[in-house]
Amino acid sequence: SQQGEEDPQALSIQEGENATMNCSYKTSINNLQWYRQNSGRGLVHLILIRSNEREKHSGRLRVTLDTSKKSSSLLITASRAADTASYFCATDFNNDMRFGAGTRLTVKP
Amino acid sequence: DTAVSQTPKYLVTQMGNDKSIKCEQNLGHDTMYWYKQDSKKFLKIMFSYNNKELIINETVPNRFSPKSPDKAHLNLHINSLELGDSAVYFCASSQVKGGPNNEQFFGPGTRLTVL
Repeated sequence: SQQGEEDPQALSIQEGENATMNCSYKTSINNLQWYRQNSGRGLVHLILIRSNEREKHSGRLRVTLDTSKKSSSLLITASRAADTASYFCATDFNNDMRFGAGTRLTVKP
Repeated sequence: DTAVSQTPKYLVTQMGNDKSIKCEQNLGHDTMYWYKQDSKKFLKIMFSYNNKELIINETVPNRFSPKSPDKAHLNLHINSLELGDSAVYFCASSQVKGGPNNEQFFGPGTRLTVL
């Protein structure tokens, strides 16, 4: 069954702006992960945040996790046209990983 | 070096046919998965195998039968194909079950079209 739910479903911004995507989930997790999917390609892992962590950074990516609200956010700073893709959150509990439906991000040059 | 590979990349077939999709990973991972991504891009897990043993089997019609001859391969066989089976099927793998960094590595996908 579906676990994470991303919000918004679609996001369109200008190059250089920041993009924020949210993910809500319903049950317990060991960790939460964000993936990126370019059109016609497989998913690529971006970042993992463990359930006891609150914030994590990787390059232009910043992920937060609030386990009390069962939510996470992915922030992409100084976006580029090449960031255009779909972004999925995935919750992992006991090696059972469930994906949301994704946020489609379009970055206009 | 391809980490997770799938064949074929595209598969067009008639209703009622039987087809197979193959997946291989050269990462030395113990766990492999099959996902189905529908036209709305929703990614749904179908099966998960750990060391050739089935550990997740979602509510999938029994026309779908995964087969894992060894831990580097997880093939998906589909009998009596239906129009609703049209989707992109992704194979993925991850490290030892229960590991702290359970990142999954995805194959490029197989686009199945049933006519």
